[in-house]
Amino acid sequence: EVKLVESGGGLVQPGRSLKLSCAASGFSFNDYWMGWVRQAPGKGLEWIGEINQDSSTINYTPSLKDKFTISRDNAQNTLYLQMSKLGSEDTAIYYCASEGGSPYWGQGVMVTVSS
Amino acid sequence: DIVMTQSPSSLAVSAGETVTINCKSSQSLFGSVRQKNYLAWYQQKPGQSPKLLIYLASTRESGVPDRFIGSGSGTDFTLTISSVQAEDLANYYCQQYYDTPLTFGSGTKLEIK
Repeated sequence: EVKLVESGGGLVQPGRSLKLSCAASGFSFNDYWMGWVRQAPGKGLEWIGEINQDSSTINYTPSLKDKFTISRDNAQNTLYLQMSKLGSEDTAIYYCASEGGSPYWGQGVMVTVSS
Repeated sequence: DIVMTQSPSSLAVSAGETVTINCKSSQSLFGSVRQKNYLAWYQQKPGQSPKLLIYLASTRESGVPDRFIGSGSGTDFTLTISSVQAEDLANYYCQQYYDTPLTFGSGTKLEIK
């Protein structure tokens, strides 16, 4: 069974950093581009960025490029999202997803930025 | 960035009716090498992750009912849901993957009367 399980979310104060993880199982993780998408409460989907199989290519949506860093550890079948200088506008559900072919999505993890 | 303009933002229909959702991109999504349009449609039911319905503008993902039909080319695309069922209550999003950053439409909320 394919699983993508995000973790690391929660309540964080404005200006702080947070690192999300996405543990993959049930498919060949190192064969896939992987990405992050977020969804603010009651809003639409926003693509954050993607990383290729060997981490040699990482693309971001321009407005988040200076705040967010995507990485992966193929040995651990895990995708990461390092988020810095968080503000209230970053409050959202964060999804990891595979790209290409039939995409797999995680269930999402909530990040709330508030003092 | 490629801007995806989706309409309508919401609609309410009775079961059995046909629904049309439109998506317009700010530039062509047609790739000349593969001769394909890089446009996907997602369905997101309440409290769930998005689910891919259609890719390459008109190819139905495995397991998706054939009442979901994607069409269009270039900059104008349509998702048609024929004979809507109660289980189709969801938000629907188009997404272009022609170029990074990948971008989504603003979504269409489908309600069942």
